[in-house]
Amino acid sequence: KAGVTQTPRYLIKTRGQQVTLSCSPISGHRSVSWYQQTPGQGLQFLFEYFSETQRNKGNFPGRFSGRQFSNSRSEMNVSTLELGDSALYLCASRTGLDEKLFFGSGTQLSVL
Amino acid sequence: DAKTTQPNSMESNEEEPVHLPCNHSTISGTDYIHWYRQLPSQGPEYVIHGLTSNVNNRMASLAIAEDRKSSTLILHRATLRDAAVYYCILRSNSNSGYALNFGKGTSLLVTP
Repeated sequence: KAGVTQTPRYLIKTRGQQVTLSCSPISGHRSVSWYQQTPGQGLQFLFEYFSETQRNKGNFPGRFSGRQFSNSRSEMNVSTLELGDSALYLCASRTGLDEKLFFGSGTQLSVL
Repeated sequence: DAKTTQPNSMESNEEEPVHLPCNHSTISGTDYIHWYRQLPSQGPEYVIHGLTSNVNNRMASLAIAEDRKSSTLILHRATLRDAAVYYCILRSNSNSGYALNFGKGTSLLVTP
């Protein structure tokens, strides 16, 4: 079974631009969540989607948004990029019925 | 959310057992205790979770104190591949979706 797939693996953007990151969950998983990891703040929860509905949101500004499609694939968008948005963005999926969360390898975003 | 306290770092010799402690004195009755680990340049990996009773799986064992205010992750025979940051996380079993609040974790060094 394929794991959680995130694309692209690396991304370089400039301040003010917007970016869209993609995540394909494990087949059969209906819940997809996103996390941001930085050296200073560590791993922080962004939001969770289940069956195309956002169920939970972390403490991030409205520039961070996401969506989930009917095939459970998810995208995360960050608008008006700031230097502080440079981070590893991790996607994770779960079936929705058990506690295990499976993470992808992440997208490393650099904002110049 | 209830918080966890872990040592910043621990060191172990290869092939010896490792006991990674976690304090969570403000845990509530419905909080799950999760352990994840993160190897360098990878997303976090699920290790084990429990609610009240001790748990065993192929990766590790989780020993939960009777009052649930602390727990210990036990790696029975450390290998060099177990060198990682280990996160102890409490997950609230509420209706507001699924989110993991990662702390700083314990960096485990395994020496040959």
